[in-house]
Formats: sequence, C-alpha cells, structure tokens
Amino acid sequence: ELKVEQNPLFLSMQEGKNYTIYCNYSTTSDRLYWYRQDPGKSLESLFVLLSNGAVKQEGRLMASLDTKARLSTLHITAAVHDLSATYFCAVDPHTGANSKLTFGKGITLSVRP
Amino acid sequence: DAGITQSPRHKVTETGTPVTLRCHQTENHRYMYWYRQDPGHGLRLIHYSYGVKDTDKGEVSDGYSVSRSKTEDFLLTLESATSSQTSVYFCAISEGTGGAFEAFFGQGTRLTVV
Repeated sequence: ELKVEQNPLFLSMQEGKNYTIYCNYSTTSDRLYWYRQDPGKSLESLFVLLSNGAVKQEGRLMASLDTKARLSTLHITAAVHDLSATYFCAVDPHTGANSKLTFGKGITLSVRP
Repeated sequence: DAGITQSPRHKVTETGTPVTLRCHQTENHRYMYWYRQDPGHGLRLIHYSYGVKDTDKGEVSDGYSVSRSKTEDFLLTLESATSSQTSVYFCAISEGTGGAFEAFFGQGTRLTVV
C-alpha cells in the first residue's frame, strides 16, 4: 500500500525567510503532484513532476523530485503572507492505465510578519 | 475552475437517510474521482471511474456507491448516512494525458449527518 508522508504538518514561517518542506513516499514512482488549498476552498494544482530530477518553479515556490530517495521538496524563497495555505503532495503509483493519486495529509504554512 | 460543478454545495441530512452527491464536468475527461477530506486525514479516495459504467473502489469505499452513466456525470451515493460520513467531499477529474494524472478539483460539498 502506497503511503505518502509530509512533514512538518504545520510550519510557521517568518516573512522574508526561506523554507523547505518535504514529501516522502513508500513505493517506486516518478509522478508527483503538488497542490495548494486555501481555507474553505478547493485544491489548486501547483506542480506536476514526472521524472527523476524534475524541477519546476513558479514565483517563490520551487518543487523538485528525487525518485531514488522517494522524496519531493517544495522550497519557499522569501516567504510572503500570500503563501499561507495548506500544501498537499500526491503520488501516482503508476500501476497502469487507471492510476489514481494518493495524497499526503498536507502541510499548513502560516507566514507571520 | 476546470469546468467541474458539484451539487449540492452544502447539505444537512439525518442518520439513516440516503444521500446522493453529483459531480458534473464539461471537460470530457475520462477519469473522475470522489475524495473525502477530514481534519488530520488529508484527502482519501472513495471511488473512481475510468470510463462510462467503469468504476472501482478506493481506500474508504464502505458505505458508498457510485454510478457513471454519462461521461460528464459521476454520482456518489451514501446508502444510509452515518455521522462518520460527515465530511467535505471533493470531486476531481483527470485526462491521464501522457501518463500524467493531474487531477482538477470541484469546489466541494460540505455534508453534515445529524
């Protein structure tokens, strides 16, 4: 059974500083997705990582995938209040044509002045 | 929002009654999913569909059934609602293009079972 772990589950960040959050998963996969969720809202797709060494960047966020370590990182550069949200990673176990995503429990980020 | 509409958006129902949630998409995507979201559990897959009349169970399927008679509609039925099914339910769609199953989510349905 695929397990996806995110840590920490909550992170208080100071404005202007850099941070990294992690997503570990238990089975071989080269497909990983990052989502953002604002309180009371739906999930928004942020990044799609489809190979070992894949790196995607959008604004202050950069995501990378190391399939050998079964690890994805989401790096935050110079945190700002607008980045406060819950971030989920999801892994596709790549079991065939009808794959589906398994999500981690999410990491809630809070940016303080 | 990727052309996904969930209805109703909010519902309060009594224990023991059947409840049906609807997901409608206008994207013609092949795959549709129902997830539930609960504090401390993230999102958990209930059922999914990989085509019309083709469905399969997810990790928390007990007490739920689904149907997909048209590409655009995916129904989730709670056969006899229980308080443990109080949750926020999300529908998602995916095309599986190029082997990527990036999912796009509806706005969610908040269900309260009293």
